[in-house]
Amino acid sequence: NAGVTQTPKFRVLKTGQSMTLLCAQDMNHEYMYWYRQDPGMGLRLIHYSVGEGTTAKGEVPDGYNVSRLKKQNFLLGLESAAPSQTSVYFCASSRMSRDRGINEQYFGPGTRLTVT
Amino acid sequence: GQNIDQPTEMTATEGAIVQINCTYQTSGFNGLFWYQQHAGEAPTFLSYNVLDGLEEKGRFSSFLSRSKGYSYLLLKELQMKDSASYLCAVRVKGYQKVTFGIGTKLQVIP
Repeated sequence: NAGVTQTPKFRVLKTGQSMTLLCAQDMNHEYMYWYRQDPGMGLRLIHYSVGEGTTAKGEVPDGYNVSRLKKQNFLLGLESAAPSQTSVYFCASSRMSRDRGINEQYFGPGTRLTVT
Repeated sequence: GQNIDQPTEMTATEGAIVQINCTYQTSGFNGLFWYQQHAGEAPTFLSYNVLDGLEEKGRFSSFLSRSKGYSYLLLKELQMKDSASYLCAVRVKGYQKVTFGIGTKLQVIP
């Protein structure tokens, strides 16, 4: 099993350009997440999905859109990139929550995005 | 919302024991996670506590006190490879997401 994979690994964008980050998982997990990680800020949730065809906003959703057309894929889009979106982006997945179940998150290797 | 506090940085000596604390304020608590993240890599799951007490897993242990909103991660027999950031994360009942603290960067020195 590959676990959680992300493409691309690195990307440099100019302000105003658009791009899509792809996350794929082969563990048949129901839940998927997109985070950004910045120095001194920790991991912050952008958007998440609890199943195919459903998405929800996280803590910092502005400037991003997501789609979950297939259970195994979760796409993060930047329509008009800004320098403030320079960050490391992590995708994660987990099993459906059960009361008191562990259901830890499995993370992809990350995408390092620079917006100039 | 949730408020999670943990020290930003810690330094410890190889072979020693180190305790990393995490305090949180939340309603509807439904579990606390610890993740390890080496520089430039993805976080990986270390431990989970939902009931009060100590969970032991090899050299790593995690403790939880729900009444105090407090957890710690205990690392024994420190090795150089334990140099990493340790992330505390809290899950709230009824939600499918967790909130992460900023992480504690641990440096193990010879």
